Amino acid sequence: TQLLEQSPQFLSIQEGENLTVYCNSSSVFSSLQWYRQEPGEGPVLLVTVVTGGEVKKLKRLTFQFGDARKDSSLHITAAQPGDTGLYLCAGVGNNDMRFGAGTRLTVKP
Amino acid sequence: EAGVAQSPRYKIIEKRQSVAFWCNPISGHATLYWYQQILGQGPKLLIQFQNNGVVDDSQLPKDRFSAERLKGVDSTLKIQPAKLEDSAVYLCASSQGLGRELFFGEGSRLTVL
Repeated sequence: TQLLEQSPQFLSIQEGENLTVYCNSSSVFSSLQWYRQEPGEGPVLLVTVVTGGEVKKLKRLTFQFGDARKDSSLHITAAQPGDTGLYLCAGVGNNDMRFGAGTRLTVKP
Repeated sequence: EAGVAQSPRYKIIEKRQSVAFWCNPISGHATLYWYQQILGQGPKLLIQFQNNGVVDDSQLPKDRFSAERLKGVDSTLKIQPAKLEDSAVYLCASSQGLGRELFFGEGSRLTVL
């Protein structure tokens, strides 16, 4: 079982601020996925990172996969209220996919 | 394209009763997952199917939980007897294969009184 630790657990910021959330593990993953979940809904995929050191940008969101493929970060620039949600990372191992506990982000207008 | 369908959306039962959840994945998706998500936590994998075979059920409490995926399409998750700590949202997801994007249903929210 691969343990994924996400930090911070909760984050409340004002609209326009920047933020970074982290996903760390002692295990190496073949790939890592980031999802966002809104209340009453299932998680929705934001991005998949595969190569160590890879950086992917999705509008105001920047995802980075660690060189050793054990950790990842998500940076949001100029956060908006629509970014509010639970951000989950999921590590893909040999035969399974496990989720972290998530970072619950609230962006206040 | 139709998404992952789950039912019922909500269920309230008393402890020691039984409950069953149903999932219809996206057509053609070979991999199906059941996750348990307790309030404030991330999804915890209960069982993973590849077609109608079990790939991983190491975190499924087999004394009370069971799941099947007959004919490699629909799946059911059963809890018998339910305990208070089983109160959670049960999420079904499907994908084209391991490591591919997971498509989730809206979940089945279980409350055990």
